Amino acid sequence: KQEVTQIPAALSVPEGENLVLNCSFTDSAIYNLQWFRQDPGKGLTSLLLIQSSQREQTSGRLNASLDKSSGRSTLYIAASQPGDSATYLCAVGGIYNFNKFYFGSGTKLNVKP
Amino acid sequence: DAGVTQSPTHLIKTRGQQVTLRCSPISGHKSVSWYQQVLGQGPQFIFQYYEKEERGRGNFPDRFSARQFPNYSSELNVNALLLGDSALYLCASSPTRAEGTDTQYFGPGTRLTVL
Repeated sequence: KQEVTQIPAALSVPEGENLVLNCSFTDSAIYNLQWFRQDPGKGLTSLLLIQSSQREQTSGRLNASLDKSSGRSTLYIAASQPGDSATYLCAVGGIYNFNKFYFGSGTKLNVKP
Repeated sequence: DAGVTQSPTHLIKTRGQQVTLRCSPISGHKSVSWYQQVLGQGPQFIFQYYEKEERGRGNFPDRFSARQFPNYSSELNVNALLLGDSALYLCASSPTRAEGTDTQYFGPGTRLTVL
């Protein structure tokens, strides 16, 4: 069974800092990997989707990388802002179970003004 | 276009009762998935439906059931509620089932509290 781990569980940084969130998974037979943002008590907002054949995806200040062979993905946030404060979740989609994602427990990010 | 909608927003039930949660996918999306998110944890997969058929099931007891209607909306039913069923229930839609590259679009969730 795929297991997804996110480190750190929580992170507090001053505004303007660049930061990296980590996601690791145990089964490298993945189809894709998606990063989400979740605000308290809310649903999930998709940030980036990386297909297994890709190495990275970029959207604005966000860059996600994927190293399938080592079972790792990182989400890089440049010039962090207080509005980036949220929980960031990594989800891995398996080859044989399309649209079934395995989620990590998330990294709770606090960006201080 | 409207996003994924879920109803109700909040729900309070007592142990042993039954509950039905509803989800309307984005227009044109044929695949609906249900997830349970317990406080402090990531979502866990419950069901996936595509074209009104169950295509995937997570490790949940038979008390959990779901169905998808011809208009692709979906209902999740939970019988004989337990305290441990208290969670945020999330619905996600995507255009197709077979394409693993599909982005999943999540609704705001239904917060279920079991007393």
